[in-house]
Amino acid sequence: SQQGEEDPQALSIQEGENATMNCSYKTSINNLQWYRQNSGRGLVHLILIRSNEREKHSGRLRVTLDTSKKSSSLLITASRAADTASYFCATDEVSNDYKLSFGAGTTVTVRA
Amino acid sequence: NAGVTQTPKFQVLKTGQSMTLQCAQDMNHNSMYWYRQDPGMGLRLIYYSASEGTTDKGEVPNGYNVSRLNKREFSLRLESAAPSQTSVYFCASSEVAYNQPQHFGDGTRLSIL
Repeated sequence: SQQGEEDPQALSIQEGENATMNCSYKTSINNLQWYRQNSGRGLVHLILIRSNEREKHSGRLRVTLDTSKKSSSLLITASRAADTASYFCATDEVSNDYKLSFGAGTTVTVRA
Repeated sequence: NAGVTQTPKFQVLKTGQSMTLQCAQDMNHNSMYWYRQDPGMGLRLIYYSASEGTTDKGEVPNGYNVSRLNKREFSLRLESAAPSQTSVYFCASSEVAYNQPQHFGDGTRLSIL
């Protein structure tokens, strides 16, 4: 079953702007991961945040995790055309034998 | 540095035909996975292999079988294809089953007429 749900479903921004997308989930997790998928390609792992972490950075990416609200956000700063892709959160549910559950994704379009 | 390689990239089948999707990884990973991706939905796990010699059902296993041929290779078989199995299939691998990023192939686009 789909554990994570991303919001918004789609996002269109100007190059140089920041993009923020959110992920909500339903049950206790061990960790949460964010992936990027370019059109016609497989998913690429971006960042993993553990349940005892609140914030993590990787280059222009910033991820937050609020386990009390069962939500996470992914911020991409100073967006570029190459950031145009779909972004998925994946949760590692404690109750699901640690298998990953993916949300439906946020499609981000960065306009030049 | 190939990572995860899937073959074929595209396939069209007729209802009732069978086929095997191949997946190989060169990262010495213990765990491998098969997912399907349908429009507007996230990836759904079909089967996974936590380690060589083991396989387990995921969320949507009906109509599929898998074989973990060795540590590198994990194949997915459709015995009697149905139009509902039209999808994009992704293979992935990770060092171990828990708390690790997964590495994905570029998918097999399968259409069943």
